[in-house]
Amino acid sequence: DAMVIQNPRYQVTQFGKPVTLSCSQTLNHNVMYWYQQKSSQAPKLLFHYYDKDFNNEADTPDNFQSRRPNTSFCFLDIRSPGLGDAAMYLCATSRDRGNEKLFFGSGTQLSVL
Amino acid sequence: GEDVEQSLFLSVREGDSSVINCTYTDSSSTYLYWYKQEPGAGLQLLTYIFSNMDMKQDQRLTVLLNKKDKHLSLRIADTQTGDSAIYFCAESIQGYSTLTFGKGTMLLVSP
Repeated sequence: DAMVIQNPRYQVTQFGKPVTLSCSQTLNHNVMYWYQQKSSQAPKLLFHYYDKDFNNEADTPDNFQSRRPNTSFCFLDIRSPGLGDAAMYLCATSRDRGNEKLFFGSGTQLSVL
Repeated sequence: GEDVEQSLFLSVREGDSSVINCTYTDSSSTYLYWYKQEPGAGLQLLTYIFSNMDMKQDQRLTVLLNKKDKHLSLRIADTQTGDSAIYFCAESIQGYSTLTFGKGTMLLVSP
């Protein structure tokens, strides 16, 4: 049974049209992460939540926002997607912070037309 | 700064051993990980090693760590076609909550 679930699997949006990707987890983990992965690139951390505490990476564009309404759910909002935002978006969780194993979802492949 | 480097591609025959290499630059790395990504899927943790260890074996997988050279390798014995995937090396640093990934090595196993 999937423990980190991402919906949808594939998402197509238009240039400049806001889009939301969702992630849920059944592990009751404290930490949830959003990674962006472009073709042939390493996954790049955008931000993470430690419980309700939001931690943004310094180089994450303002165009990317996140919400975590409860322990189980976390959303990635892209306010005005550009062509360069087309990528695989991976959600991950870990029990706690600091040298913890990450559990990944299957990802959402975002296309921007 | 943090930097994790991997070769991009490796091709082996079924039944042979595969060795995937990784180098990292941050000497304060505490844990080093190997993740596997199959096509269209998320990353799956394969194994990890603590920085005070030299070797870790887990069934067909052997991880070797050379701290002096900051070199990590993953050996897969008796490689199967189902092992074809992208393998990511990653490091984490004591006190920090996030991982730094390499760009991944695509392993292709031919019959």
